[in-house]
Amino acid sequence: TQLLEQSPQFLSIQEGENLTVYCNSSSVFSSLQWYRQEPGEGPVLLVTVVTGGEVKKLKRLTFQFGDARKDSSLHITAAQPGDTGLYLCAGDDETSGSRLTFGEGTQLTVNP
Amino acid sequence: EAQVTQNPRYLITVTGKKLTVTCSQNMNHEYMSWYRQDPGLGLRQIYYSMNVEVTDKGDVPEGYKVSRKEKRNFPLILESPSPNQTSLYFCASSLIAPWVSTSTDTQYFGPGTRLTVL
Repeated sequence: TQLLEQSPQFLSIQEGENLTVYCNSSSVFSSLQWYRQEPGEGPVLLVTVVTGGEVKKLKRLTFQFGDARKDSSLHITAAQPGDTGLYLCAGDDETSGSRLTFGEGTQLTVNP
Repeated sequence: EAQVTQNPRYLITVTGKKLTVTCSQNMNHEYMSWYRQDPGLGLRQIYYSMNVEVTDKGDVPEGYKVSRKEKRNFPLILESPSPNQTSLYFCASSLIAPWVSTSTDTQYFGPGTRLTVL
């Protein structure tokens, strides 16, 4: 059973559309990270959120950490083909100690 | 350039033939880790190391060994590979362990090693 559930698993949209991907868990996380992975490469860290309710913006990307620190969302405004990739969330579960757990990922395709 | 390098990038081998995947980082990071990535299962941690001579099991350590004799290198050893170890492997490093990191710390991943065990 995945500790972190990401949804949707696959998302195909047109350039210019907005989208939101979700990362949910029944566990409380001390912090949560979002990564983007492109084919043939390793994941690249986009952001880390540490405070419940925290919102961080990275250009057209908005990341939110849930108030209870059990979930997070990534919203992309006016998606571009360059946003295409696998988006992964990862968190350190307060009960599992020294572990960073990854979700399965959301494969995003932005069509021109 | 700050980077994590892995070798080889691609490897096809046969069951039981010992192999080593090397990982090296040039950022003087204390923390290093190995993950495997499989469809439908995401990234799962195999082993990690908090510093030289300090290693610990991750979520899926069976069939793997690691060593950390120097700060920059963290090789992954498969003593007797089996087909269920066919996967995409990533090495990663960060200044300190990700679970104690602040928003200013970054975990860097290598480019990956695609391993096929026949």
